[in-house]
Amino acid sequence: DAKTTQPTSMDCAEGRAANLPCNHSTISGNEYVYWYRQIHSQGPQYIIHGLKNNETNEMASLIITEDRKSSTLILPHATLRDTAVYYCIVRVAYNQGGKLIFGQGTELSVKP
Amino acid sequence: GAGVSQSPSNKVTEKGKDVELRCDPISGHTALYWYRQSLGQGLEFLIYFQGNSAPDKSGLPSDRFSAERTGGSVSTLTIQRTQQEDSAVYLCASSPIPGTLNEQFFGPGTRLTVL
Repeated sequence: DAKTTQPTSMDCAEGRAANLPCNHSTISGNEYVYWYRQIHSQGPQYIIHGLKNNETNEMASLIITEDRKSSTLILPHATLRDTAVYYCIVRVAYNQGGKLIFGQGTELSVKP
Repeated sequence: GAGVSQSPSNKVTEKGKDVELRCDPISGHTALYWYRQSLGQGLEFLIYFQGNSAPDKSGLPSDRFSAERTGGSVSTLTIQRTQQEDSAVYLCASSPIPGTLNEQFFGPGTRLTVL
């Protein structure tokens, strides 16, 4: 699976959009981009995934560049409850039983 | 509906003792995963079960670690002769179809402390 690079930490003001970048320059054509988050003392939670088109759901939007070498997770109106570690994961949909390889993630702090 | 549950939520044990951690996946989910998260570390894959297939044990750190999944549902992770470096949060996840685009649903974890 392709390796990802994320900033260690980011701050965001409550009510503003949080834009979390992820670099995955070695991504292969059959690899998807997944985002999970882990709120303190809880298990990780799936947010969104995509292949090459931009995706949106009730939690967030995922913007993938045309060359697919990077992506951005957007939380449109961040709240204090969005404070968490956000993990960008790139993997083949059917690889090795679907296990997730987590990096260090980005620690997002949403401030009042 | 009910999510993934794990028990106990906390476990304190003495070095050298054996421990068993339990995971109840979401009903009907065919895939089950164990991960662990050491203090200040990222999440580390341990083992994966899918139906009647042989489990993927590639992430188990030593032969002191083993896991079973009975009847395709409940799973038990066993750590024999625990060491202090085994202290971590052990997380279980399940998904309805393995290796597809379906997300993994995580439980709250078991915090293991080895004294």
